[in-house]
Amino acid sequence: SSELTQDPAVSVALGQTVRITCQGDSLRSYYASWYQQRSGQAPVVVIYGKNKRPSGIPDRFSGSTSGNTASLTITGAQAEDEADYYCNSRDSSGNHYVFGSGTKVTVL
Amino acid sequence: QLQLQESGPGLVKPSETLSLTCTVSGGSINSDSHYWGWIRQPPGKGLEWIGNIFYSGTTYYNPSLKSRVTISVDTSKNQFSLKLSSLTAADTAVYYCARLRRGYNLDDAFDVWGQGTRVTVSS
Repeated sequence: SSELTQDPAVSVALGQTVRITCQGDSLRSYYASWYQQRSGQAPVVVIYGKNKRPSGIPDRFSGSTSGNTASLTITGAQAEDEADYYCNSRDSSGNHYVFGSGTKVTVL
Repeated sequence: QLQLQESGPGLVKPSETLSLTCTVSGGSINSDSHYWGWIRQPPGKGLEWIGNIFYSGTTYYNPSLKSRVTISVDTSKNQFSLKLSSLTAADTAVYYCARLRRGYNLDDAFDVWGQGTRVTVSS
């Protein structure tokens, strides 16, 4: 299967920890990358590879993979973390890419 | 600092062909480490990968769109382009161009994005 499955929505209290998951067979072979999309803005990569953060991304964002599931964890969620989050990975062909369905994170 | 900027019509008629261009500034499109891609997002929906191109012209397309998509590159202008044919209302979306960092350790990432351009398919 080339699909990546995400929970539609999660909520987290300000300052608490939230984990967003992404499931798919291709994740057994390829890393996921994670994108934050705030309302009305273009996506921004927050995690890629084996838990790599681009310059400027806070260290409260971290990533991990186990089997066919990739996870994005926000430790100490802030109000500005409220956004849609998408995972992305190569599919089984190795040359095509697929995005997950997205998870809306609400910070309470 | 690398920047990407999409350009093209905001309104296209059904059955016609959409043409968009992405201009790369602050860096060269002739990179051995990067592909260049198109991604779209219908109103209120998620992201959909359309395809990628390497500066040499090698392309990869989403199988669900492959019959209607052509991505090309013009290295002399530091631009790459998208053509999507036989448009329907379902192709209405914000279209983004992005740089794909294709890692040797499979640590890929679409690490630079354009601001996106809104395209409406309507008569």
